Amino acid sequence: KQEVTQIPAALSVPEGENLVLNCSFTDSAIYNLQWFRQDPGKGLTSLLLIQSSQREQTSGRLNASLDKSSGRSTLYIAASQPGDSATYLCAVIKGSARQLTFGSGTQLTVLP
Amino acid sequence: GAVVSQHPSRVICKSGTSVKIECRSLDFQATTMFWYRQFPKKSLMLMATSNEGSKATYEQGVEKDKFLINHASLTLSTLTVTSAHPEDSSFYICSAFGGASETQYFGPGTRLLVL
Repeated sequence: KQEVTQIPAALSVPEGENLVLNCSFTDSAIYNLQWFRQDPGKGLTSLLLIQSSQREQTSGRLNASLDKSSGRSTLYIAASQPGDSATYLCAVIKGSARQLTFGSGTQLTVLP
Repeated sequence: GAVVSQHPSRVICKSGTSVKIECRSLDFQATTMFWYRQFPKKSLMLMATSNEGSKATYEQGVEKDKFLINHASLTLSTLTVTSAHPEDSSFYICSAFGGASETQYFGPGTRLLVL
């Protein structure tokens, strides 16, 4: 059974810092990996989707990498801003069923 | 981008009543929809996979008679929590998958509180 772990569970940084969020998964036979953002009491916003054949994806200040062989992904946030404060979730997708298995999330607080 | 809506956004009900939550894909046809449940400060747990025109596939430990799922059209799936109890209080989120995109689009969630 696929297990997805995110470290750290919570992170607090001053504004302007670059930071890295980590995601690991136990079964490397994944289809895609996706990073989401969730604001308190809200649904999910997709940030980046990395297909299994890709090693990284970039969108603005965000860069996500994927190393299938080691079962790891990282989300890099450059020049963090208070508006980046949210919970960040990674999820792996296995096969055509397209079911997502989520990690427990990293709660990020960017202090002004 | 593709939009998925959920209704209601928040519902409070008495124990023993049934509650229906709707999930709609507004600008695309969703062949598959998923229902998730999220407890406070926890991650999303997949409850069931719903395919249009067929019975939903439930994850282990999810009572199908408790959580009725209907996917009658390519744009609408419903989750009915039957005979709700306080332990059913949670945040329910749906997602929809369809078209050429490889991305699931998530609804804004429904907060259910059972008194």
